[in-house]
Amino acid sequence: EVQLVESGGGLVQPGGSLRLSCAASGFTFSSYWMSWVRQAPGKGLEWVANIKQDGSEKYYVDSVKGRFTISRDNAKNSLYLQMNSLRAEDTAVYYCASLKMYYDFWSGGWYFDLWGRGTLVTVSS
Amino acid sequence: DIQMTQSPSSLSASVGDRVTITCRASQSISSYLNWYQQKPGKAPKLLIYAASSLQSGVPSRFSGSGSGTDFTLTISSLQPEDFATYYCQQSYSTPSITFGQGTRLEIK
Repeated sequence: EVQLVESGGGLVQPGGSLRLSCAASGFTFSSYWMSWVRQAPGKGLEWVANIKQDGSEKYYVDSVKGRFTISRDNAKNSLYLQMNSLRAEDTAVYYCASLKMYYDFWSGGWYFDLWGRGTLVTVSS
Repeated sequence: DIQMTQSPSSLSASVGDRVTITCRASQSISSYLNWYQQKPGKAPKLLIYAASSLQSGVPSRFSGSGSGTDFTLTISSLQPEDFATYYCQQSYSTPSITFGQGTRLEIK
């Protein structure tokens, strides 16, 4: 079955750290750009980070730069998000998603194709 | 950053109605616009990509149009399963992409 399954969410204090994982199965994980997208409770979707197929390029939304790190292990078919210096405003459901190209990444010709079910991160004292 | 503004933010409609949701970009994004549907507690699901291309498996009552800064998602005849929140998303400014704030479609 083609799927993405996130894990690692939970309750963490402000200033703390958490590492999210996303396990991919049923498709050739190493062939896809991957992303993390989050959704604060009752709010809309926000893109967080992208990573290229081989991990050589990584991009982040300004609000997490310097605090979050996206990575991947293609041998383990896994995507990660290391989150440090967490703030209350990072509280959200975090989804991993694969990018499907209809042109190429840099032209903008892509969309979020497969999504996981999400994992909830709560930052609170 | 490119801002995406959806209107309306919420909408009440009845089964069988024709519904149109608008998404406006703060600058031209050509046709690099995707639409997603999200139901409570679920991940988003792609409906339309490249402004007007229907994703495989999505019912033909969904359609998208537009280019430049103004885009629309139309549902030709609402079905009970269509009541959800809809998001537009631009990929023009890759790698930094943005979503609209969402349009909640409710049963009248």
